[in-house]
Amino acid sequence: DAKTTQPTSMDCAEGRAANLPCNHSTISGNEYVYWYRQIHSQGPQYIIHGLKNNETNEMASLIITEDRKSSTLILPHATLRDTAVYYCIVRLPYGGATNKLIFGTGTLLAVQP
Amino acid sequence: ETGVTQTPRHLVMGMTNKKSLKCEQHLGHNAMYWYKQSAKKPLELMFVYSLEERVENNSVPSRFSPECPNSSHLFLHLHTLQPEDSALYLCASSLGTPGTGRVSGYTFGSGTRLTVV
Repeated sequence: DAKTTQPTSMDCAEGRAANLPCNHSTISGNEYVYWYRQIHSQGPQYIIHGLKNNETNEMASLIITEDRKSSTLILPHATLRDTAVYYCIVRLPYGGATNKLIFGTGTLLAVQP
Repeated sequence: ETGVTQTPRHLVMGMTNKKSLKCEQHLGHNAMYWYKQSAKKPLELMFVYSLEERVENNSVPSRFSPECPNSSHLFLHLHTLQPEDSALYLCASSLGTPGTGRVSGYTFGSGTRLTVV
């Protein structure tokens, strides 16, 4: 799987949009970009994933650049409960259980009141 | 509730004790995983089970022994642990589509916070 690079930490004001970047310059054509987050002392939570088109769901939006070498997760109106570590993971969507979900160090997003 | 339930939530055990962690999912998933998260470290994948068969063991010490009796249950048996084994142990599950090999996103439990004294 391709590796990703994320900033170690970011701050965001409550109510503002949080934009979390991720670089994945070695991504291959079939690999998807997945985002998970982990609130302190809880298990990771799936947020969104995409291949090349922008995606939106009830939690967030995912913007993937045209060359697919980077992406941005957008939380449109951050709340204090969005304070968490956000993980960007690149992987194939198939391969069964041997296609493991491997986590990096992620970005600690701190939403400030 | 995520659909993946882990018990107990907290566990304190001595180095000579034997204990077991339990994970249960009723999401219809067919693969289950154990992860370990030590303080200030990324999650480490320990074991992977697919259709109740262990498909991967990432060089985990033998004092950790997994068991997957059916597709809904996963155990992690612990014996003669060391203090450095203190960590958050997370269980996850996913759904693989037979024939296509496609796999869904993972659903994680809330974890068991283990302290070895």
